[in-house]
Amino acid sequence: GAVVSQHPSRVICKSGTSVKIECRSLDFQATTMFWYRQFPKKSLMLMATSNEGSKATYEQGVEKDKFLINHASLTLSTLTVTSAHPEDSSFYICSASSGAEGSEQYFGPGTRLTVT
Amino acid sequence: GDSVTQMEGPVTLSEEAFLTINCTYTATGYPSLFWYVQYPGEGLQLLLKATKADDKGSNKGFEATYRKETTSFHLEKGSVQVSDSAVYFCALSDQAGGFKTIFGAGTRLFVKA
Repeated sequence: GAVVSQHPSRVICKSGTSVKIECRSLDFQATTMFWYRQFPKKSLMLMATSNEGSKATYEQGVEKDKFLINHASLTLSTLTVTSAHPEDSSFYICSASSGAEGSEQYFGPGTRLTVT
Repeated sequence: GDSVTQMEGPVTLSEEAFLTINCTYTATGYPSLFWYVQYPGEGLQLLLKATKADDKGSNKGFEATYRKETTSFHLEKGSVQVSDSAVYFCALSDQAGGFKTIFGAGTRLFVKA
């Protein structure tokens, strides 16, 4: 099946700094990428949907100025957590889709962010 | 809006027991239905899917049938193994929702040897 990678897999940063997480589709063109946040023992919460070359669509309650998403190419999307705080510590997961009806989403392995 | 409801866990079974994890959905459109599995420390993997009514998705001994009349997509396996211990997520995606995937809360399965 298609492969989606995320980098880094784990990151620890200090409060107030910014962190960038990359999501890459390795063997297919992802017209749509999704960013999720997963809290411990909870389901995935969709943060935003990004389409290549256009602005991301954020879900209600997600601060677009804090979670900057860039989908610059058909194989790369980035999530930047700006001015991170301890409450931003979480597991961030991306997924990629070709966008066709009923198409499967392929998930990255996730990035564990810890803000100290 | 669209939503997915699945049984709360954790579910604890002995090896070779029969597994059922219930999942029901509400959707404005005609969604595709999925089961994803998340093994400890790993990302989500697609386990199986069904795209239309009466379709049966199957993989690794797991099965689920798309039941439009009961809006359900229950996951079953006849004989679980310790290696099946994971969190299972039921999900849907439809055009009316812009192909966003809506996940259930997840059901944690523990299989004892």
